[in-house]
Amino acid sequence: KQEVTQIPAALSVPEGENLVLNCSFTDSAIYNLQWFRQDPGKGLTSLLLIQSSQREQTSGRLNASLDKSSGRSTLYIAASQPGDSATYLCAVKTSYDKVIFGPGTSLSVIP
Amino acid sequence: EAGVVQSPRYKIIEKKQPVAFWCNPISGHNTLYWYLQNLGQGPELLIRYENEEAVDDSQLPKDRFSAERLKGVDSTLKIQPAELGDSAVYLCASSLGLGRGGEQFFGPGTRLTVL
Repeated sequence: KQEVTQIPAALSVPEGENLVLNCSFTDSAIYNLQWFRQDPGKGLTSLLLIQSSQREQTSGRLNASLDKSSGRSTLYIAASQPGDSATYLCAVKTSYDKVIFGPGTSLSVIP
Repeated sequence: EAGVVQSPRYKIIEKKQPVAFWCNPISGHNTLYWYLQNLGQGPELLIRYENEEAVDDSQLPKDRFSAERLKGVDSTLKIQPAELGDSAVYLCASSLGLGRGGEQFFGPGTRLTVL
């Protein structure tokens, strides 16, 4: 059974710092991995989607990497801003068509 | 282009009452998902539709939950009767194409409070 974990559960950094969020999964047989952000009381906003054949995806200040063999993905945020404060979730789509979410990392960027 | 639309945004009901949530996916998206999200946790899949067919409802508590997606577009999720433990956010998402590779887009969710 696929399990997805995210460490740390919460992170607080000063504005301007570069940071890395981690996502780990137990079964490497996945079709893709998607990173989302969720603002309080809101739905999820898609940030990046990495297909199983890809190693990384970039969008602006965000870079997501995928290492299937080790069951890990990282989301790198460059030059963090207070507007980046949110909860970040990763989700894997398994080889048996299940979508499993991690519990999220709550990020606070302090001005 | 309009995103995923959900209504209502908030619902407060007493236990044992029925409740229904509505979702309109992004135009052209074949796949529709309903998720449940408890506070501080990631969403958990309840049901996935490919067009009008429910292809994965293994996590849907069928004794009280039901869903439909008539004509493969809009979808309704119903709870009857609601229990205190059903208080959560119900999220709808859609993706283009059938099955595996599609990027999911989420609606704003419906926050249900059962008193």
